[in-house]
Amino acid sequence: GDSVTQMEGPVTLSEEAFLTINCTYTATGYPSLFWYVQYPGEGLQLLLKATKADDKGSNKGFEATYRKETTSFHLEKGSVQVSDSAVYFCAMIQSGSARQLTFGSGTQLTVLP
Amino acid sequence: DGGITQSPKYLFRKEGQNVTLSCEQNLNHDAMYWYRQDPGQGLRLIYYSQIVNDFQKGDIAEGYSVSREKKESFPLTVTSAQKNPTAFYLCASTGTVFTGELFFGEGSRLTVL
Repeated sequence: GDSVTQMEGPVTLSEEAFLTINCTYTATGYPSLFWYVQYPGEGLQLLLKATKADDKGSNKGFEATYRKETTSFHLEKGSVQVSDSAVYFCAMIQSGSARQLTFGSGTQLTVLP
Repeated sequence: DGGITQSPKYLFRKEGQNVTLSCEQNLNHDAMYWYRQDPGQGLRLIYYSQIVNDFQKGDIAEGYSVSREKKESFPLTVTSAQKNPTAFYLCASTGTVFTGELFFGEGSRLTVL
């Protein structure tokens, strides 16, 4: 069945470090892919998305490229800030679903000043 | 401002008691969802509703119940039959055309004493 696998956290970085959070998926066909972010004490919000192979989603300095050949959608940022500390979720639209997403387990990121 | 409002933010319950979590949206969205979030397990779907007076079970519906009498409202009842109800509960909604973007409330944290 459909599934999303994220690198396990927590991840701790110093400010201005480079960030990569790995995400791979298993699905029938080529689903749309998403990264959501959850700041402390809040709900999730959409960070970026890609709807087809080789698309690059970007927002707030974060990027992720839809790689069909490796079934991956890794999240990257060149220089993280303390304000980026949050939990990041990779997600995809379920195959044949009635408007449902499959979420990864989430990766906690802490950025130290 | 449009959005999703969940209440209460924090709730304590004794074992054997039912409790109802409120979710209200003023986004004019058709579909609404309830997720449960546990540390390290990502988001798991409890129930979802596509339209008023209709709802479907998600992956972990046992011990929960919902109603959808109004488009704006989708309350979740955690019954005494739920074996491990302590968790963070998130409500979400999306519009008629599903692009994969869910709009989340800020969540309700339920603790069973």
